[in-house]
Amino acid sequence: DAGITQSPRYKITETGRQVTLMCHQTWSHSYMFWYRQDLGHGLRLIYYSAAADITDKGEVPDGYVVSRSKTENFPLTLESATRSQTSVYFCASSEQTVGNQPQHFGDGTRLSIL
Amino acid sequence: GESVGLHLPTLSVQEGDNSIINCAYSNSASDYFIWYKQESGKGPQFIIDIRSNMDKRQGQRVTVLLNKTVKHLSLQIAATQPGDSAVYFCAENNAGNMLTFGGGTRLMVKP
Repeated sequence: DAGITQSPRYKITETGRQVTLMCHQTWSHSYMFWYRQDLGHGLRLIYYSAAADITDKGEVPDGYVVSRSKTENFPLTLESATRSQTSVYFCASSEQTVGNQPQHFGDGTRLSIL
Repeated sequence: GESVGLHLPTLSVQEGDNSIINCAYSNSASDYFIWYKQESGKGPQFIIDIRSNMDKRQGQRVTVLLNKTVKHLSLQIAATQPGDSAVYFCAENNAGNMLTFGGGTRLMVKP
């Protein structure tokens, strides 16, 4: 049971480049989420998706784009990376809406933007 | 659960002792709470959850207590082991589909 997997685990890129972080879950969970984790801010929600083709902004969506063409995948794209987007990114999923089930997290992508 | 930047609040306990990690939440309307454990280099791992219609919930070696009067959540770990060393986060559901996370507490277990 693979659960939820993120790739790549580590990525270094330059400002202005486009980079896509991948997230894949094998549970067929309806909900998927992207967070960033920074010292001093904890985990902050970037975007989430309630189902295929349905996405919504979280707390810090600027500079990010998401899509969800298939239930199991939820890629996050930085269209023109900036240094302030250097962070650890976590994908999560849950079977039901937030108030009923816990979210389960992947092991993260550590992204450095030079 | 306010973060203090580079210096997370730290709780240091002796192996075998009980640990209590505390969390103050922000919204009296929050109705669902979760505790997560995060080890270095890994994602948050679900430990236990509780709904606002409960005051206490027990799992294996863990107990969560909810005090809605003072908006306080605690995680008790019985017979703490070295493998319990990690950062622990509380999270509250206070806005539809969003969780708000606390800054975390680092638990260090001394052998």
